Amino acid sequence: ELKVEQNPLFLSMQEGKNYTIYCNYSTTSDRLYWYRQDPGKSLESLFVLLSNGAVKQEGRLMASLDTKARLSTLHITAAVHDLSATYFCAVVLAGKSTFGDGTTLTVKP
Amino acid sequence: DTGVSQNPRHKITKRGQNVTFRCDPISEHNRLYWYRQTLGQGPEFLTYFQNEAQLEKSRLLSDRFSAERPKGSFSTLEIQRTEQGDSAMYLCASSLAPQGNTEAFFGQGTRLTVV
Repeated sequence: ELKVEQNPLFLSMQEGKNYTIYCNYSTTSDRLYWYRQDPGKSLESLFVLLSNGAVKQEGRLMASLDTKARLSTLHITAAVHDLSATYFCAVVLAGKSTFGDGTTLTVKP
Repeated sequence: DTGVSQNPRHKITKRGQNVTFRCDPISEHNRLYWYRQTLGQGPEFLTYFQNEAQLEKSRLLSDRFSAERPKGSFSTLEIQRTEQGDSAMYLCASSLAPQGNTEAFFGQGTRLTVV
């Protein structure tokens, strides 16, 4: 059974600081997604990572994938308040997504 | 096409009642997924369809849950004899498969509260 673990589960950051969220998964997969979820809202796709060494960047967020280590990271650069949300990684295998428990990020001034 | 649409957005029901949710996927998408999300957790897979065929059901999906996609377009998820533990956000997603880079797009969800 595919297991996906994220850490940390909660992250409080000051504006302007950098931090990394980690996503470990237990078996090989087809691809990996990072999603953002605001309170009471649905999931917004941020990145899809398809192959070993893949790196995607959008604004202050950068995601990478190491398929050999079964590890993905979401790096936050110079955090701003608007990034406060819950971030999920999801590993796709045979078309089905298995999600981590999420990292709730709070960015404080 | 404005994306995946779910109705209703919110549903409050008394324990023991039956509820039905509807999902309208993106029109050309042949795969449709149902997930359940409880507070503080990631979404959990419930079931998925390819066209009208239900291809997989999670062990989470008890006999009180049934899903249909009769014409390969919209889908319904019915919960019979609701229990308080059924309170959750029910998310629907659709994708175009089996093309390699297909992405699943999520709807806004239906929040169920069982009182």
